[in-house]
Amino acid sequence: QSALTQPPSASGSPGQSVTISCTGTSSDVGNYNFVSWYQQRPGKAPKLIIYEVSKRPSGVPGRFSGSKSANTASLTVSGLQAEDEADYYCSSYAGSKNYVVFGGGTKLTVL
Amino acid sequence: EVQLVESGGGLVKPGGSLRLSCAASGFTFSTYTMDWVRQAPGKGLEWVSSISWNIDIDYAESVKGRFIISRDNVKNSLSLQMNSLRAEDTAVYYCARDGGFGYEFSDWGQGALVTVSS
Repeated sequence: QSALTQPPSASGSPGQSVTISCTGTSSDVGNYNFVSWYQQRPGKAPKLIIYEVSKRPSGVPGRFSGSKSANTASLTVSGLQAEDEADYYCSSYAGSKNYVVFGGGTKLTVL
Repeated sequence: EVQLVESGGGLVKPGGSLRLSCAASGFTFSTYTMDWVRQAPGKGLEWVSSISWNIDIDYAESVKGRFIISRDNVKNSLSLQMNSLRAEDTAVYYCARDGGFGYEFSDWGQGALVTVSS
C-alpha cells in the first residue's frame, strides 16, 4: 500500500481539464512544499513534470500545473491532448527517516 | 544532455546477490545526489536508496541491511549491491538524479529489470 493516496483512474475529453489528487499526511505532503509529479508512458521511465508543488521543469508545457492545500496536492492538466494519456505519480519528501514517498499512481485516459 | 544508463539486471535465485551499475554523463556527477527507485511489475514507484555528493546515505526500510549504495565520482558511476534478495525485490530498478531543489528526481535512466525467482 502506497504512502500517498491517488485515485486509480481519471479521464477527460480532448480540450478539457482534469485534476488528479494526492492525499498524504501532516508528516509528508502537509509538512513540506516538496511535492513532485511524474508522467510515465507505457514501457518508459518516469518524467518529472512538477516539482516543489507547482514549479515546472524547462520543456514541460504550461498545461500542467500543481497546487497544494493542507495534506492534499493536486495536478491539473488543462487542454487535454491525446499525448497526455499516461500514468501519473505524485511524491513527497517525508523527513529524514522515510525520505521520499510515492502515490500509487493514476492512469489518465483521454477519451 | 543528461544520460543515465543502468546495467547488471537479470534473474537471480532467492537469497542471492546482484550488483546494479549506472553510468552517468552530461552533468557534473560529483555534485549531485543520486538515487535508486524501483517499480515492481504493474505496480507503482518506490524509492530505494539515496547517496549525496558527500556520501550521506539513506535506505528504504524494506532494503535496509541488505542493499548497499555507492558511487565513484572519478568514473561517474552509481552502484547498488543487492544481497539476500527476495521475490518482492523483483522490479525495474531506475537510476535517478536528484534535481537539487526539493527531493525531486529530475532525470531517470531506462531501468534495469531484476527478477528474483527460483
